[in-house]
Amino acid sequence: QVQLVQSGAEVKKPGASVKVSCKTSGYTFSGYYIHWVRQAPGQGLEWMGWINPNSGGVMYAPKFQGRITITRDMYISAAYMELRRLRYDDTAIYYCARDMFTGDLDYWGQGTLVSVS
Amino acid sequence: DIVMTQSPLSLPVTPGEPASISCRSSQSLLHTNGNNYLDWYLQKPGQSPQLLIYLTSNRASGVPDRFSGSGSGTDFTLEISRVEAEDVGVYYCMQALETPYSFGQGTKLEIK
Repeated sequence: QVQLVQSGAEVKKPGASVKVSCKTSGYTFSGYYIHWVRQAPGQGLEWMGWINPNSGGVMYAPKFQGRITITRDMYISAAYMELRRLRYDDTAIYYCARDMFTGDLDYWGQGTLVSVS
Repeated sequence: DIVMTQSPLSLPVTPGEPASISCRSSQSLLHTNGNNYLDWYLQKPGQSPQLLIYLTSNRASGVPDRFSGSGSGTDFTLEISRVEAEDVGVYYCMQALETPYSFGQGTKLEIK
């Protein structure tokens, strides 16, 4: 069955970087985009960007441009999201999700809490 | 950027009764291919979001048929024909027409 398993919670200081992993299984990794979405405590969902695992092509939300890098490792079917120059308001749960082809996110990871303090 | 606006933000419902959530976009979500790129997600308490409806009106795999979506252009609706206790959580609409993708503020459905 399709699974997206994310790395564990992180605590970082302001100005540091964090890299969250998303290991996939149960489907052909190269065939589906992977998106990253975050959710601040008690808040709504915020789209961050996507990667095309086949080509490595990426698209980022302008808000995160310059601070975010999404990459993938085809050999282990994993995607990564690195966020740099962390601020207190980057404290959030970060989710990876698989794209069904038309922007519809049909499978989600369990989420990774990143705390900046 | 496309702004998504949901209403109501809070929705108390008696089990067995219907419920409806509205979502409006700041610009049309109609693609030249004829599809409206609007999805609905449900985030149950303590869980990751789950896809309910894609491309406005298509139920995702395993979603009960009491959930339905409709709309076109800038106005969209999610309807639940008979609310059950397991439907509690926060419902989000999301536009996937253009990046940056954007979500509505969320509608919290609770059982009366």
